[in-house]
Amino acid sequence: DGGITQSPKYLFRKEGQNVTLSCEQNLNHDAMYWYRQDPGQGLRLIYYSQIVNDFQKGDIAEGYSVSREKKESFPLTVTSAQKNPTAFYLCASSIRTKDEQFFGPGTRLTVL
Amino acid sequence: AQSVSQHNHHVILSEAASLELGCNYSYGGTVNLFWYVQYPGQHLQLLLKYFSGDPLVKGIKGFEAEFIKSKFSFNLRKPSVQWSDTAEYFCAVRPDSNYQLIWGAGTKLIIKP
Repeated sequence: DGGITQSPKYLFRKEGQNVTLSCEQNLNHDAMYWYRQDPGQGLRLIYYSQIVNDFQKGDIAEGYSVSREKKESFPLTVTSAQKNPTAFYLCASSIRTKDEQFFGPGTRLTVL
Repeated sequence: AQSVSQHNHHVILSEAASLELGCNYSYGGTVNLFWYVQYPGQHLQLLLKYFSGDPLVKGIKGFEAEFIKSKFSFNLRKPSVQWSDTAEYFCAVRPDSNYQLIWGAGTKLIIKP
């Protein structure tokens, strides 16, 4: 069953801690993305990766970091430098960067 | 800056009513256009897309959208909505100049049975 998985579904962290959100895809897609979704706003791009071992900053990369060591995996680390990390995080992938994007179920991060 | 505007944040309709959700973008060049839908508890999924050709695009579940280049618009339509269309709808635009999708804020559609 092909798709994108994100874990965990809900995540709580204390202020000042780093946390890593998982994103795995078995669609054999080259491109992967991380978005942040806040109420009343559209999706905002954090980072994207066109190919393994390469990634680019999106509009709101400050306080976040990523890696792309494997084609199927694109983990996102929310660092303590992120001023307002409580949000819903969505991972997506596409065959190439100009193709339709497929989305995972999301991770809701709450900073206590 | 490039932006996408969805005119209505919330729309409430009765079953069998006709639907039109507005989407306007600010970019003068070539664009790819998308409507995505998020049903309650489900993933965001593609409803329809426009890359080139016929500006009237048909998508899943009876939805269609019309690209009007002169108006920078890509409005979503459905002639007769059902309760199961209750969802949040997002318009997204990719200017030909970059790889990023620019997203509208979304419209929450509630269909009263």
